[in-house]
Amino acid sequence: TQLLEQSPQFLSIQEGENLTVYCNSSSVFSSLQWYRQEPGEGPVLLVTVVTGGEVKKLKRLTFQFGDARKDSSLHITAAQPGDTGLYLCAGGDFGNEKLTFGTGTRLTIIP
Amino acid sequence: GAVVSQHPSWVICKSGTSVKIECRSLDFQATTMFWYRQFPKQSLMLMATSNEGSKATYEQGVEKDKFLINHASLTLSTLTVTSAHPEDSSFYICSAAGVSGQAGVYGYTFGSGTRLTVV
Repeated sequence: TQLLEQSPQFLSIQEGENLTVYCNSSSVFSSLQWYRQEPGEGPVLLVTVVTGGEVKKLKRLTFQFGDARKDSSLHITAAQPGDTGLYLCAGGDFGNEKLTFGTGTRLTIIP
Repeated sequence: GAVVSQHPSWVICKSGTSVKIECRSLDFQATTMFWYRQFPKQSLMLMATSNEGSKATYEQGVEKDKFLINHASLTLSTLTVTSAHPEDSSFYICSAAGVSGQAGVYGYTFGSGTRLTVV
């Protein structure tokens, strides 16, 4: 069974601070996706990384896929209240279309 | 972009009744649809995977006779919770996978979820 552990589980910081969320596994994934979910809504895709060592930037968000394709990180610069939400990483499986979701990180940005 | 419509967004039903949840891909054909369950403050847990015209594949521990999945077309999948009980109360989310957009990129699009409360 593939498991994706996210850390921290909860994070509450002041507006303007930087933060990093980690997504770790002992399994290798074909791709790694990051989602943000608001309460009562479905997850919304932020980014997909597919190559080991790949780094993608989306405005203040920087995503990295580990060289061995077992882990990933999400770094947010100058966090804003609009960044508040549940962040989920999800690993793609080789040979099928299933996604394994991480345990989630609930982020709260305090104005 | 790709849009998936999920209905209803919330439903309250009496114990013992059945509830059907619909998931439609509006602007692309979904070769595969996934159904997830999410408990409060937890992540998504995959329940089953369905391909159009074939039987769904259920994850270990998910009762296929209780959670009936039908994927009759490339744009519609339904999840029916049969003989619902309070422990079935949860947030159910569908996801459709397929090629969409002008660039023809393969991706996953999630519905907005259905909050089921069984009383």
